[in-house]
Amino acid sequence: GAVVSQHPSWVICKSGTSVKIECRSLDFQATTMFWYRQFPKQSLMLMATSNEGSKATYEQGVEKDKFLINHASLTLSTLTVTSAHPEDSSFYICSASGTGTTVSDEQFFGPGTRLTVL
Amino acid sequence: GENVEQHPSTLSVQEGDSAVIKCTYSDSASNYFPWYKQELGKRPQLIIDIRSNVGEKKDQRIAVTLNKTAKHFSLHITETQPEDSAVYFCAASVGGGNKLTFGTGTQLKVEL
Repeated sequence: GAVVSQHPSWVICKSGTSVKIECRSLDFQATTMFWYRQFPKQSLMLMATSNEGSKATYEQGVEKDKFLINHASLTLSTLTVTSAHPEDSSFYICSASGTGTTVSDEQFFGPGTRLTVL
Repeated sequence: GENVEQHPSTLSVQEGDSAVIKCTYSDSASNYFPWYKQELGKRPQLIIDIRSNVGEKKDQRIAVTLNKTAKHFSLHITETQPEDSAVYFCAASVGGGNKLTFGTGTQLKVEL
């Protein structure tokens, strides 16, 4: 139980285009989802926290108009990188916590999405 | 906000030896401290966690200790094996379902 999936697992796009990444909780209701970004050989940096049905809370320094987060249901959150540029190339990982899991306060991570912007 | 420091950044041990990774945190309200193992290109995997009402927790070869007064916690891996080689991250949060602040990571290499 407590499985989180992400799609796509990797994506290559041209500079200036937008990319959408999906994060799904497969067997539990994710009341809260988190989006992280991880550059090579660095730690996970939290970008934003989203609660189902409400606006996401962004961390300081993260542009909310560039990284659009939608958490429309208890099983799906999406991150859209708008007008992507090469410096947005990174590993994007979501995590989720919520009801229906063995330990309700644990975060469960998705497999990550490797974004490369040319 | 919370700040988590982690040391060392790299650690090389011989197979069978013990490995210790240490973290400190700044927010006294933090009460949940998970440790993750991450292999290259993969998701972080929870290996053990501890809550502030406990001073030590053990799971087979892995143990975590917490000193709330000093605001530090440590990961101990005994009888290390080559498959333990990975990057390990500590983290802290106020409540497990809330946002995690990660340490900078430790690259552990277990040599034969």
